[in-house]
Amino acid sequence: EDQVTQSPEALRLQEGESSSLNCSYTVSGLRGLFWYRQDPGKGPEFLFTLYSAGEEKEKERLKATLTKKESFLHITAPKPEDSATYLCAVMAGTASKLTFGTGTRLQVTL
Amino acid sequence: DGGITQSPKYLFRKEGQNVTLSCEQNLNHDAMYWYRQDPGQGLRLIYYSQIVNDFQKGDIAEGYSVSREKKESFPLTVTSAQKNPTAFYLCASSTLYGVSYEQYFGPGTRLTVT
Repeated sequence: EDQVTQSPEALRLQEGESSSLNCSYTVSGLRGLFWYRQDPGKGPEFLFTLYSAGEEKEKERLKATLTKKESFLHITAPKPEDSATYLCAVMAGTASKLTFGTGTRLQVTL
Repeated sequence: DGGITQSPKYLFRKEGQNVTLSCEQNLNHDAMYWYRQDPGQGLRLIYYSQIVNDFQKGDIAEGYSVSREKKESFPLTVTSAQKNPTAFYLCASSTLYGVSYEQYFGPGTRLTVT
C-alpha cells in the first residue's frame, strides 16, 4: 500500500525566515510526486510535479526536490501570502490515482 | 476560461436523504476523480473514471455512487448509506497521455448533513 507522510504538521515562520517541508513516501513504482497548495475552504492548487530522483523545480520562493525516499519543499524568504496548507501526493503503478499526505499547515507572520 | 466547476459551494441536507454533487470540466481531460477531505486528514479517493461509461472505486467508495455519461461531467451521489457524509468534497481531472499527469481541482462543495 502506498504511504505518504508529511512533516511537520504545522510550521510557523517569520517573514524572511527560510525553511523546508518534508514529504516521505513508500510506493512501488513511483510515476510522479506532486506538490499542491491549499487555502482554507478552497480546492488545492497545483505547484509542481517531480518524476525522478535528483529532479528539482522552482517557482518564485518555492523549490521542490526529490530523492528516492522523500521530497522537500524549500521556502526561501517567505511572505505572509505564502501561508497555506501544502499537500504532497504520489502516483504509483499503473493507475492514475493519487495518494495524499495529510499536509503541512504553514503560517508566515510579519 | 478553462477549468473545473463544482456546484453548489455549500449544501445542507437532512439525514436519510440522497444528495448529488455536480462536477463539470472543460479542460478536455479524460480522467475525473472525487475526493473527500475531513479536518486533519489528507484527501481520500472516493471514485475515479478514466473513460466515459466506466469508473473504479477508490479507497472509501461505500455509501457513494457516480456516473460518467459525458466526458465533461462526473456527478457524485452521497446516499443515505454513507454513515458520516458531512465533509468537504473535491472533484479533480487530469489528462492520461503525454508527460504530465497532474490533477487539477475544482473549488469544492461543503456538505453538511444533520
